[in-house]
Amino acid sequence: TQLLEQSPQFLSIQEGENLTVYCNSSSVFSSLQWYRQEPGEGPVLLVTVVTGGEVKKLKRLTFQFGDARKDSSLHITAAQPGDTGLYLCARTRGSYGKLTFGQGTILTVHP
Amino acid sequence: NAGVTQTPKFQVLKTGQSMTLQCAQDMNHNSMYWYRQDPGMGLRLIYYSASEGTTDKGEVPNGYNVSRLNKREFSLRLESAAPSQTSVYFCASSEETGGLRQYFGPGTRLTVT
Repeated sequence: TQLLEQSPQFLSIQEGENLTVYCNSSSVFSSLQWYRQEPGEGPVLLVTVVTGGEVKKLKRLTFQFGDARKDSSLHITAAQPGDTGLYLCARTRGSYGKLTFGQGTILTVHP
Repeated sequence: NAGVTQTPKFQVLKTGQSMTLQCAQDMNHNSMYWYRQDPGMGLRLIYYSASEGTTDKGEVPNGYNVSRLNKREFSLRLESAAPSQTSVYFCASSEETGGLRQYFGPGTRLTVT
């Protein structure tokens, strides 16, 4: 089983702080996605990274794909209460778009 | 354009009862997926349909069946519900077969007592 390990599992911070969430695997993956999920809703895709060493930015969110394509990170600068949610990483598995998800990081940003 | 819709939103079943979870998408997507989400375990793929007329098992198919009724609709059936099937179920679709971007519905929260 090609597991994805996310850390930390829980993160509780104050508004304005920075944070980083990690997603690691023992095997190489061809691409990795980050999703954000709010309570009572389905996950929403934030970004897909494909190339080793790739860095993508989405406003205050920075996503990095490790050079060896075995790990990825999500960094949020100056977190806001609206960033609160469950952050999930996912990798493709085989063909037909099948995804394997990490267990998620629950982020709470306090005003 | 509603995206991916799921019904019902909540359901409580007794052990042994059956039910069908409905999913529909209006984006003309080829591929559709059913996942379950349990605390601390992310989402796990139950079944998928790469294209209309085809279905295949995912990671955790036991206890479930699916039907790809047409290009729009993909249903998930529990023939004899068990407490271990208490979960939140999400349907998703993607434009291309094997496409990376999946669009998720709002989920169905199922409790089996």
